[in-house]
Amino acid sequence: EAGVTQFPSHSVIEKGQTVTLRCDPISGHDNLYWYRRVMGKEIKFLLHFVKESKQDESGMPNNRFLAERTGGTYSTLKVQPAELEDSGVYFCASSPLGLSTKETQYFGPGTRLLVL
Amino acid sequence: AQSVTQPDIHITVSEGASLELRCNYSYGATPYLFWYVQSPGQGLQLLLKYFSGDTLVQGIKGFEAEFKRSQSSFNLRKPSVHWSDAAEYFCAVAPRGSTLGRLYFGRGTQLTVWP
Repeated sequence: EAGVTQFPSHSVIEKGQTVTLRCDPISGHDNLYWYRRVMGKEIKFLLHFVKESKQDESGMPNNRFLAERTGGTYSTLKVQPAELEDSGVYFCASSPLGLSTKETQYFGPGTRLLVL
Repeated sequence: AQSVTQPDIHITVSEGASLELRCNYSYGATPYLFWYVQSPGQGLQLLLKYFSGDTLVQGIKGFEAEFKRSQSSFNLRKPSVHWSDAAEYFCAVAPRGSTLGRLYFGRGTQLTVWP
């Protein structure tokens, strides 16, 4: 069974440009999460989808970030326009539908974003 | 405020030595507790988790963790470290009883293993 996959693995862009990150969860997993780790800091929650609906987007830093999950399968996270402080590693995780806090979240390898 | 503290940023041990990674949390009620490991180029992998019951939890790869309510701690241990254990380790918590699935992470502890 394939794990959570993320694309691209690395992205280097200039300030002001747009970047779109993609996450493919484990097949059948209705919960999908985005997290971010800024260098030297903790991994922080960004948002949570249940199927195609946003269950919790309280961690999104500002309106330059737009997450979508069309059809309840893969998800994209767009940053537009990117700023220097957006640099970091973006993780995606998925879990089966259930009591969310008890379900094991399976993480992808992350996308390393560097904004110059 | 909710917080998860991993006081050790970097730990170095010799292969075969014992290991203990510390984790403390600050929450109103005992949350669900997790330890994840990230090896280079890999995603975070769940080592073990604690919801209730026996306070000593066994995980994969020979790891165990002990929940101590009085100390608000959930320390990760391994009796004999292998070179392949070199990785970054994250303690995480989730609010008990919440319908939301978000995890709160510590800053991570980087483990280096000397041969």
